[in-house]
Amino acid sequence: GAGVSQSPSNKVTEKGKDVELRCDPISGHTALYWYRQSLGQGLEFLIYFQGNSAPDKSGLPSDRFSAERTGGSVSTLTIQRTQQEDSAVYLCASSHGTASYEQYFGPGTRLTVT
Amino acid sequence: TQLLEQSPQFLSIQEGENLTVYCNSSSVFSSLQWYRQEPGEGPVLLVTVVTGGEVKKLKRLTFQFGDARKDSSLHITAAQPGDTGLYLCAGTYNQGGKLIFGQGTELSVKP
Repeated sequence: GAGVSQSPSNKVTEKGKDVELRCDPISGHTALYWYRQSLGQGLEFLIYFQGNSAPDKSGLPSDRFSAERTGGSVSTLTIQRTQQEDSAVYLCASSHGTASYEQYFGPGTRLTVT
Repeated sequence: TQLLEQSPQFLSIQEGENLTVYCNSSSVFSSLQWYRQEPGEGPVLLVTVVTGGEVKKLKRLTFQFGDARKDSSLHITAAQPGDTGLYLCAGTYNQGGKLIFGQGTELSVKP
């Protein structure tokens, strides 16, 4: 079937506004991950879902960042009161969870905060 | 603290040359993955290694996991311009766990 899809592909927002980024994982994958890729920091883990619960939120940089997953499928990453340092590519990945090491990535959402 | 040190960070070579990229850590990983990423796209999984000393081959690419599962290498034989891209190593401590990435190696192969 289809791979991981993310929307929007690009998002430009003004500082202080809220944004929502969406991830649609590979069908049947129970685990979903959010990562952030920026020039200075490389690829960093943000949060991990197994089903609808998030056992590891250790990478969320501040309480302005939150994520949810409903129905064990689609996930939304929300950034409130965006700052310029939030500008990055936000990548989503999915896997078979505890049955697998492999993670498969979507194309990412490029977020630019002006 | 960078848990996975990847080197070199940049590599520019001529078509036909061989190259090796290294990924080193002081931590023991349960598995290590290598990804390739092109501009504007997400990383694409190339290989997963899980056993210490394991060697996997993918056409002209050879991947090795260190005996102690703390390091890995990617060797490309007779590089081609189509190999150009960002190569990323990533380790995980358990199945289903988060990936910890190295800084990446930007490879450019000139014709």
